Amino acid sequence: KNQVEQSPQSLIILEGKNCTLQCNYTVSPFSNLRWYKQDTGRGPVSLTIMTFSENTKSNGRYTATLDADTKQSSLHITASQLSDSASYICVVSVRSNYQLIWGAGTKLIIKP
Amino acid sequence: DAGVIQSPRHEVTEMGQEVTLRCKPISGHDYLFWYRQTMMRGLELLIYFNNNVPIDDSGMPEDRFSAKMPNASFSTLKIQPSEPRDSAVYFCASRNPPDRDTGELFFGEGSRLTVL
Repeated sequence: KNQVEQSPQSLIILEGKNCTLQCNYTVSPFSNLRWYKQDTGRGPVSLTIMTFSENTKSNGRYTATLDADTKQSSLHITASQLSDSASYICVVSVRSNYQLIWGAGTKLIIKP
Repeated sequence: DAGVIQSPRHEVTEMGQEVTLRCKPISGHDYLFWYRQTMMRGLELLIYFNNNVPIDDSGMPEDRFSAKMPNASFSTLKIQPSEPRDSAVYFCASRNPPDRDTGELFFGEGSRLTVL
C-alpha cells in the first residue's frame, strides 16, 4: 500500500535554532517528492520538489534531501524564524498514474 | 494571476442545511481538485476534474456530496444535507497537466465549514 509517514508529529524550537523534519514513504513507482508549507488558515504552498536523481536541493534556509534507496526525505530548516511556524507536508507522486500520496504533516512552532 | 479563488472563506450552518462551496481555478490549468482537511485525517482528496470532466470521485464520502465543473473557470462542491461531521476546511487546488511540468498544486485559501 502506498503510504507517506512524517515525523515528528509536532515540534517546538527556539527562534534561531535549526531543525530537521522527516518523511518516509512506501510509494511505487516513485515519480517525485514535494514538500509543502501550510501557514495557519492558509492553503499549502510548495517549497521544493525532489526527483529520483536528486539528493539535495536548497530553497533559501530550507534544504531538502532525498535517499531513494531507503525511501526517506528530510527537510532541514536553518536559523529558524518566527515565520517558519507552520505545518510542513510531504507528498509523493506515483509515476504510473500521477496519484498524490499525502503525509499527515509536521506542525512546527518557533518560539521567540 | 490572482491564484485559486475560493468562497466563502467561512461558513457556519445548521445540520440539514445545504452548503455550496465555490472555486475559480488558475486560468489555463486543466486539472482541478477538491480536498478536505481535518486535524484527525489531514488532507483527503474528494474529487478531481480534468478539462471539466470528473475523473476520480472515489474520495467523495457519500451521496450527500456532489461536485460540478460547468466550465473551465468555475467549480462547486455541494453538501446536502450537511451534518456536523462534515465540519472541516475544504480546499480547491488546480494545476497544469503532470506531463507539462512538475505537477505543482496551487491551493486556494480554503473554505472553513462549521455545521452545528
